Amino acid sequence: EAAVTQSPRNKVTVTGGNVTLSCRQTNSHNYMYWYRQDTGHGLRLIHYSYGAGNLQIGDVPDGYKATRTTQEDFFLLLELASPSQTSLYFCASRTRDWGGAEQFFGPGTRLTVL
Amino acid sequence: AQSVTQPDARVTVSEGASLQLRCKYSYSGTPYLFWYVQYPRQGLQLLLKYYSGDPVVQGVNGFEAEFIKSNSSFHLRKASVHWSDSAVYFCAVRWYNQGKLIFGQGTKLSIKP
Repeated sequence: EAAVTQSPRNKVTVTGGNVTLSCRQTNSHNYMYWYRQDTGHGLRLIHYSYGAGNLQIGDVPDGYKATRTTQEDFFLLLELASPSQTSLYFCASRTRDWGGAEQFFGPGTRLTVL
Repeated sequence: AQSVTQPDARVTVSEGASLQLRCKYSYSGTPYLFWYVQYPRQGLQLLLKYYSGDPVVQGVNGFEAEFIKSNSSFHLRKASVHWSDSAVYFCAVRWYNQGKLIFGQGTKLSIKP
C-alpha cells in the first residue's frame, strides 16, 4: 500500500508567521501535489512537482512557496501567513507512468492562522 | 476552461435506499475520471476510476459509476447504502497528458437510520 505522511498534523500560528508543512512519500512516485481543502471549494491545487528540483504552479499559488528537495520530500512554505490561509492541507503522490494512475493522499495538516 | 461540477453539496438518504451522486465536467478531450471518498478526519481514498472500455465501472464497497460521454457526466451510484457510507465524496478529472487532477466541490452524504 502506497504511503504518504504529513507533518505536523495540526499547526497554529499568528498572522505574519512562518510555517513549513512537510510531506514524505515512500512510493517512489514522481509526482507530488499540495492541495488545500475548504468548505464549498473542494480540493484546490496549490503547487505540484514532477520530481526533485522541479516545481509547477497550481491553481491557487498566491502566498505559497514549495520546494521538492528529494524524490520523497515535498515542502509547502507560508512565509507571511494570513488568516485566509487557515485550511486543511493535503499532500498527494502518484506515479507518472500513466495518466490514469491513482493519487495517494496523506492524512492532512490542519493549519490555523490567528 | 476545465472544470468539474458536483451540483449537490449535501445529499441525505435513508439506510437501504439507493444513491446517485452527480458529477459533470467541461472540456473536450480524453478524460481520466475518478471518485474519491473522505471519511471524517481522514484523507481521501479512491473508490473507483475510469479511463476506457465498459462505461460502467465497479468500485469498492458496492459503488459503481457510469461514464456518459455525450453528457460529460460520471455519476456515482450504489444500490443500497449503509450508515458507514456517510462521508464526503469527490469527483475528479485528469485530462490526457496533464499532470494535475481537478476536483469537484464535493458532496456530503448523510444516511438516515
